[in-house]
Amino acid sequence: DIVMTQTPLSLSVTPGQPASISCKSSQSLLHSSGRTHLYWYLQKPGQPPQLLIYEVSNRFFGVPDRFSGSGSGTDFTLKISRVEAEDVGVYYCMQSIQPPLTFGGGTKVEIK
Amino acid sequence: QVQLVESGGGVVQPGRSLRLSCAASGFTFSSYAIHWVRQAPGKGLEWVAVISYDGSNKYYTDSVKGRFSISRDNSKNTLYLEMNSLRPDDTAVYYCAKDRIHLWLAWYFDLWGRGTLVTVSS
Repeated sequence: DIVMTQTPLSLSVTPGQPASISCKSSQSLLHSSGRTHLYWYLQKPGQPPQLLIYEVSNRFFGVPDRFSGSGSGTDFTLKISRVEAEDVGVYYCMQSIQPPLTFGGGTKVEIK
Repeated sequence: QVQLVESGGGVVQPGRSLRLSCAASGFTFSSYAIHWVRQAPGKGLEWVAVISYDGSNKYYTDSVKGRFSISRDNSKNTLYLEMNSLRPDDTAVYYCAKDRIHLWLAWYFDLWGRGTLVTVSS
């Protein structure tokens, strides 16, 4: 199985400041089709996860442009340009280049 | 309203069985693959299984192979997860999640239900 490693485990951010989360995979997530199968989800407190970013850098419908994803191969980053109170929760990266789909351990983002 | 609603969770003894359901509304259920993802209390996310839009293909994570069975009834807009030989480490909130791409298996999800809690304990 592909192992997804996220850092840091937690992040405490002042509103309006940036935040960055790293995700590393044990194998390349680049498919022969040219697509890279790396996704980001946010689980807000008491809610199911919601899709933020698909295929490394594409924001899902309704996701604010303060969220951006980047990376390639095995190293990926989610950035929040200016953290807002509504961004609190646990962020997960996920790979789907091969089953079983696997998630990172999660990064908890809190507001200072 | 586009939504998925899980049901069927509860407390069950080790070795027993349970069937979860996931009712879909607001979209063409028969056109999308659907996944089960679980989350143990206070833990991260674990993908469990997926079924293609027409039910012809099913995939499972190794820890549930031979014990869990995913199925769907497109006439009822409902997904199922039959869980047999349950173990304490199957204790989790079970979410159903809709695959992203119409008439395909994109292997990621854009809509989740709120989940149903399964507790395996004697």
